[in-house]
Amino acid sequence: KQEVTQIPAALSVPEGENLVLNCSFTDSAIYNLQWFRQDPGKGLTSLLLIQSSQREQTSGRLNASLDKSSGRSTLYIAASQPGDSATYLCALPGSSNTGKLIFGQGTTLQVKP
Amino acid sequence: GAGVSQSPSNKVTEKGKDVELRCDPISGHTALYWYRQSLGQGLEFLIYFQGNSAPDKSGLPSDRFSAERTGGSVSTLTIQRTQQEDSAVYLCASRGWDQNTQYFGPGTRLTVL
Repeated sequence: KQEVTQIPAALSVPEGENLVLNCSFTDSAIYNLQWFRQDPGKGLTSLLLIQSSQREQTSGRLNASLDKSSGRSTLYIAASQPGDSATYLCALPGSSNTGKLIFGQGTTLQVKP
Repeated sequence: GAGVSQSPSNKVTEKGKDVELRCDPISGHTALYWYRQSLGQGLEFLIYFQGNSAPDKSGLPSDRFSAERTGGSVSTLTIQRTQQEDSAVYLCASRGWDQNTQYFGPGTRLTVL
C-alpha cells in the first residue's frame, strides 16, 4: 500500500529565501507525482505534475524533482514571496486505472515579509 | 472557463441528520472524485466515477456514505445519520479523459454538532 510522507510539517522563512519541501513515498512503481497548493479555506491548485519517466518539471520559480528509485520528490521554491504562503501537498495515483490520489499530510509554509 | 463548483460552501447540521453535498464538475470531464479532508486524517479518497462505469467506492468509510452522478455530470454525496467524526471538508475534483491533472472545487465544510 502506497504511503506518502511530507517533511517538514511546517516551515517559516523570511522573504527572498530559497526553500525545499520534501515528499517521500514507499512504492516506487508510480505513474506520476503531483504537487498541489492549498490556500486556507480553498480547494487545491495543481502546481506541477511529473510523469514517472521524467526527472523534473519547472514552472516559474517552482521546480519539482523526482527520484523514483529512492522514493523521493522535492519542490524547490526560489526567491520566496509572502504570496507563496500556503499548504503544499504531494500526491500520487494509487491506481493507474482510476487516478485516485494518495496525499501526503502537507507542508504549511509561511513566508514573512 | 468555469471550474469545479461545490455547494453549499458550509453546512452545519445536528448529529443524526442526513446531508447532501453537491458537485458540478468542469463541463466535458468524464472522471469525478470525492475526497475528504479532516484534521486527523489529512486528505482521503472517497469515491470515483468514470463515465457510465460502476463507481469505485473503495474509499467510503461506512455504509452511511453514498454518492451518485446523474447524467455523467453533477454528483451528490449523501451522508446519512451524520456523526461528529464526519465533520470535515469534502472536496470534489474532475478530470478530462485525456488528462492526468485533477481540478478541485473549493470544498464544502461540514460541521456536525
